[in-house]
Amino acid sequence: AQTVTQSQPEMSVQEAETVTLSCTYDTSESNYYLFWYKQPPSRQMILVIRQEAYKQQNATENRFSVNFQKAAKSFSLKISDSQLGDTAMYFCAFRSGIGDMRFGAGTRLTVKP
Amino acid sequence: KAGVTQTPRYLIKTRGQQVTLSCSPISGHRSVSWYQQTPGQGLQFLFEYFSETQRNKGNFPGRFSGRQFSNSRSEMNVSTLELGDSALYLCASGTGVGVGGTEAFFGQGTRLTVV
Repeated sequence: AQTVTQSQPEMSVQEAETVTLSCTYDTSESNYYLFWYKQPPSRQMILVIRQEAYKQQNATENRFSVNFQKAAKSFSLKISDSQLGDTAMYFCAFRSGIGDMRFGAGTRLTVKP
Repeated sequence: KAGVTQTPRYLIKTRGQQVTLSCSPISGHRSVSWYQQTPGQGLQFLFEYFSETQRNKGNFPGRFSGRQFSNSRSEMNVSTLELGDSALYLCASGTGVGVGGTEAFFGQGTRLTVV
């Protein structure tokens, strides 16, 4: 069974600094996608970034980038130049084959002014 | 393009009642998934529909059911409500199932409170 683990329930970072959120997953599949979703206090889940397992290059979206270590089954999210609007719950998610999308427990990130 | 629309946004029901939640996916999306989000359990997968067929089902009792219509709109029903069913119910739409569908686009959710 596929599982997603986020070991950091809460994190905080000063505005303009960099923070890294951790995620590990477990699967025997070779073809899959990994995602980071953001859920602000307004509660709508928004896709931050996604990574295709067959691509070795780490995905980047503006201030957001991932460190994808396939062998280690690790998928961390780095947020550079943190902004107050980055305050949210962040969920790591995994999807393979025709299975459903599995989510980690989430990391609550607070950006402090 | 309109996003995923969930109605109603808030709902208060009494134990033992039943409830129906609605989800309208993004135009052109044929896949709809439902999740239950609670502080203690996080995001739990309920079921996924594609072209009116249930493709995946999570580990929830039979009181939770769903369906998808020919226009891809989906409804979720919970019968004989229990206090523990109080949660945020999220709907997500996509272009397909599994890796064929890649990312999911979420609605704002329906907050169900059972009293």
